Amino acid sequence: GAGVSQSPSNKVTEKGKDVELRCDPISGHTALYWYRQSLGQGLEFLIYFQGNSAPDKSGLPSDRFSAERTGGSVSTLTIQRTQQEDSAVYLCASSSDRGADTQYFGPGTRLTVL
Amino acid sequence: QQPVQSPQAVILREGEDAVINCSSSKALYSVHWYRQKHGEAPVFLMILLKGGEQKGHEKISASFNEKKQQSSLYLTASQLSYSGTYFCGTELLIIQGAQKLVFGQGTRLTINP
Repeated sequence: GAGVSQSPSNKVTEKGKDVELRCDPISGHTALYWYRQSLGQGLEFLIYFQGNSAPDKSGLPSDRFSAERTGGSVSTLTIQRTQQEDSAVYLCASSSDRGADTQYFGPGTRLTVL
Repeated sequence: QQPVQSPQAVILREGEDAVINCSSSKALYSVHWYRQKHGEAPVFLMILLKGGEQKGHEKISASFNEKKQQSSLYLTASQLSYSGTYFCGTELLIIQGAQKLVFGQGTRLTINP
């Protein structure tokens, strides 16, 4: 596609449920990032993929968070046993071959945990 | 490793100038600037590489002082469309080569008519 897409755009879930958030990067972009943005806050780095491997998982807040990327393209961020503090906008970005080239952001998934 | 942005917020009247600063405690390879409007995703503005290179984008320009490990974003004759939150992203200078960006907490810019 022309840009980074994310789905769903909004997700409301109950505390304790698992959720999966999907990111489709720009075709050909090998680097993919997940960020979390709480209301009025900055961009909190979660995880970075180069191809299918994740050289930096340092931002994942707990072991309830995991992410994978298959085929060097689509990525899924999974949050298990969601908590209310997980409520935020989850942004995905992709960039071309070098890790810190221009990042193109998707529209985000707004997650609300009741 | 997170860069520090200042000020946290600024309110201007249309036509006024603003400067947003971004400082790092680590040696930098590059600095990236993004703008995020309310309810939208961040949008890329510019990249500055080490060497004090200055770049411009419309009436928005930036400088990068490698020695001081800081960058400044200059907005001149601000327009209403400049309103939003500005983020700097820093890329650390490490032996293995450049890697991820780490973003600051953002500077909220409000332009009033």
